Amino acid sequence: ELKVEQNPLFLSMQEGKNYTIYCNYSTTSDRLYWYRQDPGKSLESLFVLLSNGAVKQEGRLMASLDTKARLSTLHITAAVHDLSATYFCAVVSSGAGSYQLTFGKGTKLSVIP
Amino acid sequence: DSGVTQTPKHLITATGQRVTLRCSPRSGDLSVYWYQQSLDQGLQFLIQYYNGEERAKGNILERFSAQQFPDLHSELNLSSLELGDSALYFCASSSSQSLRVYEQYFGPGTRLTVT
Repeated sequence: ELKVEQNPLFLSMQEGKNYTIYCNYSTTSDRLYWYRQDPGKSLESLFVLLSNGAVKQEGRLMASLDTKARLSTLHITAAVHDLSATYFCAVVSSGAGSYQLTFGKGTKLSVIP
Repeated sequence: DSGVTQTPKHLITATGQRVTLRCSPRSGDLSVYWYQQSLDQGLQFLIQYYNGEERAKGNILERFSAQQFPDLHSELNLSSLELGDSALYFCASSSSQSLRVYEQYFGPGTRLTVT
């Protein structure tokens, strides 16, 4: 059974600081997603990581994937208040025409002015 | 806006009742997925349909069932409801045609409260 672990689960950081969220998963997968969720809202896709060594950047967020270590990171650079949200990583399990995401528990990020 | 629509937005019902949640995928998407998000269980995959056929089952209770219709919309039926079924239910859809193949786009969710 695929297990996905995120840490930390809660992160309070000051504006302007850098930090990294980690996502470990237990079995081989060929793709990983990062999503953002604001309170009471739906999930917004941030990044799709398809291969070992993949790195994607959007604004102050950068995601990377190491399939050998079964590890993805979401790095936040010079945090701003607008980044306050819950961030989820999700790992794909696929086979025989099926396709499902297993989510981590999420990291609740609070950026303090 | 992801293009996935879900109705109703909110639903309040009593224990033992039955409800139906509806989802319309993005135009052209053949796959529909249902997820449950609760405080204690987090985000859990329930079931996937592809072009009307069930393709994958996750942690879906026997009291729950789903189907996908010829027009590709999907319904999730929840019966004999219990307090613990209170949660946010998301539908997502994906395409095998786009470059971002199999990326799942989530609807706004239906918040179910069982009293």
